[in-house]
Amino acid sequence: SQQGEEDPQALSIQEGENATMNCSYKTSINNLQWYRQNSGRGLVHLILIRSNEREKHSGRLRVTLDTSKKSSSLLITASRAADTASYFCATDEGNNRLAFGKGNQVVVIP
Amino acid sequence: DAGVIQSPRHEVTEMGQEVTLRCKPISGHNSLFWYRQTMMRGLELLIYFNNNVPIDDSGMPEDRFSAKMPNASFSTLKIQPSEPRDSAVYFCASSRGQGAQQPQHFGDGTRLSIL
Repeated sequence: SQQGEEDPQALSIQEGENATMNCSYKTSINNLQWYRQNSGRGLVHLILIRSNEREKHSGRLRVTLDTSKKSSSLLITASRAADTASYFCATDEGNNRLAFGKGNQVVVIP
Repeated sequence: DAGVIQSPRHEVTEMGQEVTLRCKPISGHNSLFWYRQTMMRGLELLIYFNNNVPIDDSGMPEDRFSAKMPNASFSTLKIQPSEPRDSAVYFCASSRGQGAQQPQHFGDGTRLSIL
């Protein structure tokens, strides 16, 4: 099944900087979701954005969705060491499944 | 509030043995998902239940894998017989609503090693 593809796959930044990740997909979607996974833990839901929405915010997180380009971005502002994790985008293609990308490893250096 | 609870957290067993993974979803959630995560293949959906009924089991690798949901608060994933290539982290997730329409809440997984 088609999956979201995150870019870049690995990102290393200094604490306080902003981190931006992109996700591209190939078919039409109902919604797109972003998740975070800390080492040895399960995925934690961050934001869900529906196909008729263009932007959503949650705390220091900002997600955009461009359905014409089939892409989404996740921005983490003022990063903290605790933001070190893998970040996944996942797409709902209307077949009861969330198709997850391979993930994007973010390291925030204190 | 309690999240999704999985047991055991770690399982090491020899090939050919039966393995049973357990999951307690969040109370009030009516959808339950079993996933498998490996470095090579990423996160794969194995099976999806809605209101305790299996809706999509197309991701179950082969007949050695089976899953049940006897009631709204418990599900099992069984592998019999187990093989080394089954080694992975297995996650259970639950959500309100149907399919992929709502956020999914994941347990911390079972790390399975088949020797």
